Amino acid sequence: NAGVMQNPRHLVRRRGQEARLRCSPMKGHSHVYWYRQLPEEGLKFMVYLQKENIIDESGMPKERFSAEFPKEGPSILRIQQVVRGDSAAYFCASSQDLQGMGAYTFGSGTRLTVV
Amino acid sequence: AQTVTQSQPEMSVQEAETVTLSCTYDTSESDYYLFWYKQPPSRQMILVIRQEAYKQQNATENRFSVNFQKAAKSFSLKISDSQLGDAAMYFCAYRRYVGTASKLTFGTGTRLQVTL
Repeated sequence: NAGVMQNPRHLVRRRGQEARLRCSPMKGHSHVYWYRQLPEEGLKFMVYLQKENIIDESGMPKERFSAEFPKEGPSILRIQQVVRGDSAAYFCASSQDLQGMGAYTFGSGTRLTVV
Repeated sequence: AQTVTQSQPEMSVQEAETVTLSCTYDTSESDYYLFWYKQPPSRQMILVIRQEAYKQQNATENRFSVNFQKAAKSFSLKISDSQLGDAAMYFCAYRRYVGTASKLTFGTGTRLQVTL
């Protein structure tokens, strides 16, 4: 049973380009969360999605950032017109149910470097 | 809003010794979950231990145990018989206990070094 799969592992983009980060949740998980980790900091919540719905995007910057979790396929975090400050590790996590012990399973992250 | 504070940016422990990592949090909720995650250099976030706030008994997972003080809003992690593989960043995290899944709020982390 594969865990949460994120790709690419590393992504380099020039300023102004678009970055697309993919996350395939664990089999059977329908809840996906995206977090961002700046160097030497903890993870900061960005967005929570269920299939085809954004449930909570309170941590998502209002501009340039968007996320989706289509009926088929992985969840995508999209960053348009990247800037140096977007350089960070982006983690995806998934969970199965609405509550329970709710300990998410994390992917290995995508390290985005903007040059 | 909930906040999680880890006041020890770095800690060091000798192999086979015991170390305690501190975590405090602020919330107005009465039911919630608390977690400790480990992040080794590989960046993978690994769940170490979790605690439900309504349970008075402290959680234990092999060499890892917590001291949960609900009134003091304190949730420390004790690592016994430390091993070289325990070296990592450790993050304390909080999650509301609600009818729908909700986000984790993380502390800023404690870097643990294990020496011979």
